[in-house]
Amino acid sequence: KAGVTQTPRYLIKTRGQQVTLSCSPISGHRSVSWYQQTPGQGLQFLFEYFSETQRNKGNFPGRFSGRQFSNSRSEMNVSTLELGDSALYLCASSSMNPTLNNEQFFGPGTRLTVL
Amino acid sequence: AQSVSQHNHHVILSEAASLELGCNYSYGGTVNLFWYVQYPGQHLQLLLKYFSGDPLVKGIKGFEAEFIKSKFSFNLRKPSVQWSDTAEYFCAVTISGGYQKVTFGTGTKLQVIP
Repeated sequence: KAGVTQTPRYLIKTRGQQVTLSCSPISGHRSVSWYQQTPGQGLQFLFEYFSETQRNKGNFPGRFSGRQFSNSRSEMNVSTLELGDSALYLCASSSMNPTLNNEQFFGPGTRLTVL
Repeated sequence: AQSVSQHNHHVILSEAASLELGCNYSYGGTVNLFWYVQYPGQHLQLLLKYFSGDPLVKGIKGFEAEFIKSKFSFNLRKPSVQWSDTAEYFCAVTISGGYQKVTFGTGTKLQVIP
């Protein structure tokens, strides 16, 4: 089974621009979560989608948004980029199989640099 | 809401030393607990997990963790570390039976010196 894939792997943007990141979950997985990873802050939860619905949301401003498509692929968008948005953005998918009980599988991440 | 604390931010050990990384969570109900590892340049991968049953959980590469409910702790241990264990380790918790909101600790960077 192919793992979680994220595109692009690296991005450089300037302040004020907007960016869209993409995540393809493991085949059959319907839950996709997004995290922001920065040194010293660890992984901070952005949001989680299941069957095209946002089920959970972290404490990030409205500039951060996401969506999920019917094939479970997900995108996240950050508008009006700020320097502090520079981070590794991780996507994780889960099967939601009760016996596997919320185990998540992570992609390699997208490294976003805002100049 | 649940939270996770990892008090050791950076640990430096010599090869063959024993390792214990602390993880404490705050939530009054039933939880699922995880340790993830991120090797340099690689993506996060699951090291071990606890859902129920035996509180001593064994994971990959000789790691184990013990769930102590009374202390709200899930410390990670390895009796003898290797240089290849150099990585960042994250403790995580979800509410059992709940949705996919996984709360991570801030991570512990482990550096093993040959």
